[in-house]
Amino acid sequence: EIVLTQSPGTLSLSPGERATLSCRASQSVSNNYLAWYQQKPGQAPRLLMYGVSIRATGIPDRFSGSGSGTDFTLTISRLEPEDFAVYYCQQYVSSLMYTFGQGTKLEIK
Amino acid sequence: QVQLQESGPGLVKPSQTLSLTCTVSGGSISSGGYYWNWIRQHPGKGLEWIGYIYYSGRTFYNPSLKSRVTISVDTSKNQFSLKLSSVTAADTAVYYCARVGSGGYFFDYWGQGTLVPVSS
Repeated sequence: EIVLTQSPGTLSLSPGERATLSCRASQSVSNNYLAWYQQKPGQAPRLLMYGVSIRATGIPDRFSGSGSGTDFTLTISRLEPEDFAVYYCQQYVSSLMYTFGQGTKLEIK
Repeated sequence: QVQLQESGPGLVKPSQTLSLTCTVSGGSISSGGYYWNWIRQHPGKGLEWIGYIYYSGRTFYNPSLKSRVTISVDTSKNQFSLKLSSVTAADTAVYYCARVGSGGYFFDYWGQGTLVPVSS
């Protein structure tokens, strides 16, 4: 089983700042099968990115994803008030398992 | 626009079986090409994938839960269901149903989730 470790656990920033969230896998993630989700309190997760760097429908271009192999990054270029939430990375492996990172909480400083 | 909605009892007693149903609207499960999943989130914690079913009935479960999980599909009602047996307080969680998109590896549509406490 591939374990995803996200860092930092909590990120405190102000609106307008740049956010960089990390997701590290215990083994290489094949075929760029890595996605990111945003979750706000009381809501279901929402798909942000898939295939490492492809934005889901309706996701603004201030969100970008990068990385390969075992190290992946979600970047929010200029934080808007609605971006403060918990972010999860998720991967899929050929053994048909889906696993998630433990999440990064992005909070207002 | 595909929508998913979980339904089921709001409380389950220890040792009993948790049963939930996900109703899909805006798309047909039997059209194929997608995997229909259950995911749970313990209070204040991260996300745990439980398993999926394909419209044909083919299933795959998280090995950590496999001995207690059954996922089934009713294409005539456009629903799929989760049964988790022998529950304990550790199974208290918000349970989500979600669709894996045609790419096969990410969850593109989610239900709103339903909290299922396990308590006597």
